Amino acid sequence: TQLLEQSPQFLSIQEGENLTVYCNSSSVFSSLQWYRQEPGEGPVLLVTVVTGGEVKKLKRLTFQFGDARKDSSLHITAAQPGDTGLYLCAGSMDSNYQLIWGAGTKLIIKP
Amino acid sequence: NAGVTQTPKFQVLKTGQSMTLQCAQDMNHEYMSWYRQDPGMGLRLIHYSVGAGITDQGEVPNGYNVSRSTTEDFPLRLLSAAPSQTSVYFCASSTLPRGTEAFFGQGTRLTVV
Repeated sequence: TQLLEQSPQFLSIQEGENLTVYCNSSSVFSSLQWYRQEPGEGPVLLVTVVTGGEVKKLKRLTFQFGDARKDSSLHITAAQPGDTGLYLCAGSMDSNYQLIWGAGTKLIIKP
Repeated sequence: NAGVTQTPKFQVLKTGQSMTLQCAQDMNHEYMSWYRQDPGMGLRLIHYSVGAGITDQGEVPNGYNVSRSTTEDFPLRLLSAAPSQTSVYFCASSTLPRGTEAFFGQGTRLTVV
């Protein structure tokens, strides 16, 4: 059973469109991270959110942590081909050292 | 800045062969881990270590061994390769406490035939 459910699993859209990726759980996390992974590379951290209701912006990317710290979203405005990649969310719990990973959203932005 | 270095990048093994995937980090991180990544399944934790001399099992440890004799190195050993171990393997490191940024190597694409 996946503790962190990501949706959609796959998304292919045209350049300039907006999109939102979701990361949901029934568990409470002390923090949640979003990573982007490009083909042939390891994941690279985009952002960490730690406070319920927190919103962080990274250029055209907006990350939100749910009020109850059980879910998060990533919104991309005016997507660019350079945004193409696999987006992974990962949650941290106080009870153990391991990160809990979502299965990922494969995003393709077509020129 | 080397970060996390994994070798080899690609490997083909025959069923029953053994091999070691190397991982080294130069950031003095206490926490190191090994994941396997399969399509549609995200990253699954194989083994992890919170410091030299300390290792523990993750979600999918069977068929793999690890050791941590130094802070820098965390090799992963496949004892007797099976086709089910065909995957992409990533080593990662981070500082403690929990929730800090994980730094990943470039991965090893392993095929077992």
